[in-house]
Amino acid sequence: DTAVSQTPKYLVTQMGNDKSIKCEQNLGHDTMYWYKQDSKKFLKIMFSYNNKELIINETVPNRFSPKSPDKAHLNLHINSLELGDSAVYFCASSQWGAFQTEAFFGQGTRLTVV
Amino acid sequence: TQLLEQSPQFLSIQEGENLTVYCNSSSVFSSLQWYRQEPGEGPVLLVTVVTGGEVKKLKRLTFQFGDARKDSSLHITAAQPGDTGLYLCAGAGNAGNMLTFGGGTRLMVKP
Repeated sequence: DTAVSQTPKYLVTQMGNDKSIKCEQNLGHDTMYWYKQDSKKFLKIMFSYNNKELIINETVPNRFSPKSPDKAHLNLHINSLELGDSAVYFCASSQWGAFQTEAFFGQGTRLTVV
Repeated sequence: TQLLEQSPQFLSIQEGENLTVYCNSSSVFSSLQWYRQEPGEGPVLLVTVVTGGEVKKLKRLTFQFGDARKDSSLHITAAQPGDTGLYLCAGAGNAGNMLTFGGGTRLMVKP
């Protein structure tokens, strides 16, 4: 069983389109995240949700809108895609308040905007 | 914002050599983790260090947390081609729930 699964794995789309990436975790964690990894492999947090509530929003453009229907799911919708949005997006989960905050990552979604 | 700097950014060595990767910050972290990421995959946790001065060993990998909990190192003994990958350090702040990642070290071990 995959602990954190995200779909699709690859996404190629044109500028200006709207797209969504889905994420699900079966670990029973109550905190989920979206990270963006750029071409230089730098992982930067975008959003963090705890029990469906937005906790962290790290200066992400309004075109990015996360949605958490329940604590096992965190989806990412992106409007009006731009070339600079091309990156690998990782979903992750962890247990809230855990001192060690170990995060489990999905396989990533490679988004290419052309 | 807490920042973590990793060095070196790239490392290419021969099989059998030893290496050390460093992760430094001016901030104190409640814990620090090391992840390894392979192409096309997400990062996978290797170890978490919590106590200042703590040393943990995972086979040929030795992890150390600095006394002041601001820095960490990863030492690999007798590197093997299977060690090739991207190594990421990540620190958890005092709030305990947000991970800040370093820029990563890309390691290539040649046979």
